[in-house]
Amino acid sequence: GAVVSQHPSRVICKSGTSVKIECRSLDFQATTMFWYRQFPKQSLMLMATSNEGSKATYEQGVEKDKFLINHASLTLSTLTVTSAHPEDSSFYICSGLGQSYEQYFGPGTRLTVT
Amino acid sequence: GENVEQHPSTLSVQEGDSAVIKCTYSDSASNYFPWYKQELGKGPQLIIDIRSNVGEKKDQRIAVTLNKTAKHFSLHITETQPEDSAVYFCAGTSGSRLTFGEGTQLTVNP
Repeated sequence: GAVVSQHPSRVICKSGTSVKIECRSLDFQATTMFWYRQFPKQSLMLMATSNEGSKATYEQGVEKDKFLINHASLTLSTLTVTSAHPEDSSFYICSGLGQSYEQYFGPGTRLTVT
Repeated sequence: GENVEQHPSTLSVQEGDSAVIKCTYSDSASNYFPWYKQELGKGPQLIIDIRSNVGEKKDQRIAVTLNKTAKHFSLHITETQPEDSAVYFCAGTSGSRLTFGEGTQLTVNP
């Protein structure tokens, strides 16, 4: 299957600061990427859909001004968590959409806000 | 939108036995049904998928069956091994968006 990378794999930041997470498709071009959040022992919840060169589409209840998404190229999407708070601590996972609508997931980023 | 229900939430089997996980979906327009395996602290890994134009697909010890009329699909793992222990998620589709089931924690006891 296709490979998606994320960086960093884990990050600790102080409350009120911002943190950026990168998602890269390494061996395919992902016109569409998705960002998910997963709390412990729960399923993946879609946060937003990111299309290259256009604004992201956010799911209901997700604050677009808090979770900034940029998809500037066919292989890179970034998620910036602005003014992070402890309740934003979670496992953030991105995926890239393949040619046949399959999604390939990155390894995830563990965010801890202290 | 799509609603996906997954059962059971936990499943414990002895090594060598078979495991079956079932999912139901609500959107009759869904036409793509993937299954993911997620190990602790890692991202989900696509292990098998099926599209609505077929009823069954098999890949070595893993198979998926789809009943579009009843709107349910199932994952079958035969000859389970300890390394199959993980959380398994099914998903339904609405366009390109995935809606995940709640997951099944599979434990294979040696």
